[in-house]
Amino acid sequence: EADIYQTPRYLVIGTGKKITLECSQTMGHDKMYWYQQDPGMELHLIHYSYGVNSTEKGDLSSESTVSRIRTEHFPLTLESARPSHTSQYLCASSDLATLETQYFGPGTRLLVL
Amino acid sequence: EDKVVQSPLSLVVHEGDTVTLNCSYEVTNFRSLLWYKQEKKAPTFLFMLTSSGIEKKSGRLSSILDKKELFSILNITATQTGDSAVYLCAVEVGYGGATNKLIFGTGTLLAVQP
Repeated sequence: EADIYQTPRYLVIGTGKKITLECSQTMGHDKMYWYQQDPGMELHLIHYSYGVNSTEKGDLSSESTVSRIRTEHFPLTLESARPSHTSQYLCASSDLATLETQYFGPGTRLLVL
Repeated sequence: EDKVVQSPLSLVVHEGDTVTLNCSYEVTNFRSLLWYKQEKKAPTFLFMLTSSGIEKKSGRLSSILDKKELFSILNITATQTGDSAVYLCAVEVGYGGATNKLIFGTGTLLAVQP
């Protein structure tokens, strides 16, 4: 079944650790996105990708980095986690043929102690 | 700066009530407006609107766009407790194709009481 997956769903980690949030989609979508959402706040775009080997920074400045080596995979990495990185991270994908109807993964809730 | 504003911020109703959620926007290079329902975690897609005055319907939900007055409404009739969620409005902006992006509002928190 075509879907979009994120792992882990929850992560509690200490300051200074390196973490990678995984996102995979089986829909063959070209575009993928990472959003950051604090409780009760709007989604902010932090990274997006048009396709393999293409990545762009979004509207909200982020210390994270992304890569897009395969169409279906768009991991997000924090080299050194800090408490200010505590948030929910949502991955999404879209097909250029369906304009901007984005399909979201279940999200990763990150807590940095 | 592109801006999407939703109102009310929160709303408490009883089952069976009809609700109207509002979304206004000020953006450059408008392409479309989308509504999402967010329960607990990730948003799920409801509607995409590109033309003024054409109502989109899905069961008890309907939505319409006014590109002259720069707003959209989402109506939910005969509300049920399962409609309780945050409803997000997002506006697609860009010049077309791969460079487009979504600007999200803060959402309207709807609570439907039995």
